[in-house]
Amino acid sequence: QKEVEQNSGPLSVPEGAIASLNCTYSDRGSQSFFWYRQYSGKSPELIMSIYSNGDKEDGRFTAQLNKASQYVSLLIRDSQPSDSATYLCAVKMYQGGKLIFGQGTELSVKP
Amino acid sequence: GAVVSQHPSRVICKSGTSVKIECRSLDFQATTMFWYRQFPKQSLMLMATSNEGSKATYEQGVEKDKFLINHASLTLSTLTVTSAHPEDSSFYICSARRSGEIEAFFGQGTRLTVV
Repeated sequence: QKEVEQNSGPLSVPEGAIASLNCTYSDRGSQSFFWYRQYSGKSPELIMSIYSNGDKEDGRFTAQLNKASQYVSLLIRDSQPSDSATYLCAVKMYQGGKLIFGQGTELSVKP
Repeated sequence: GAVVSQHPSRVICKSGTSVKIECRSLDFQATTMFWYRQFPKQSLMLMATSNEGSKATYEQGVEKDKFLINHASLTLSTLTVTSAHPEDSSFYICSARRSGEIEAFFGQGTRLTVV
């Protein structure tokens, strides 16, 4: 089992719809979870961090964490074409503090 | 802010030569820096973790004699790709973290092409 797993996509949604991105992780001791957005040829940029079970909202973005199920998700409301990118889930490992990335989900928002 | 600067952003080198990539934290002291490699359409793969003043910890499968990492100060880490080959062509990204903090900040990446 990979340490961090995501559906690779591509995920295609129409403009204005909700995009839902999912991620599971294997290390039960992990406490810190991150969502990054990466445009082609660019470095990742941090969108959201979440540390506690439940939802965390920031503008059009909502991160959801369920530690019992080892599951973290990202919802993007009112999706815009500019949201088209690869979204990377990252988990900070309990042992050693390494940040491990999933393979990324490619999101395409169609006008 | 927390700005991490990577240099160069692009480099082309001949097979068999060495290339050095710099990662600098511009406005904070980075006790830990991470080096990642990303091949096209793939995710970031952690290569090594470096702590200031000590030897880097390499991930399994990463050749420490080929990818030399130096973290000599709290604001600078370097990655040297020695005897580069075309299969080393990739996007190399560093990230830096302050002591005791959770978030790490990424540099803009270096596109290495070995011809």
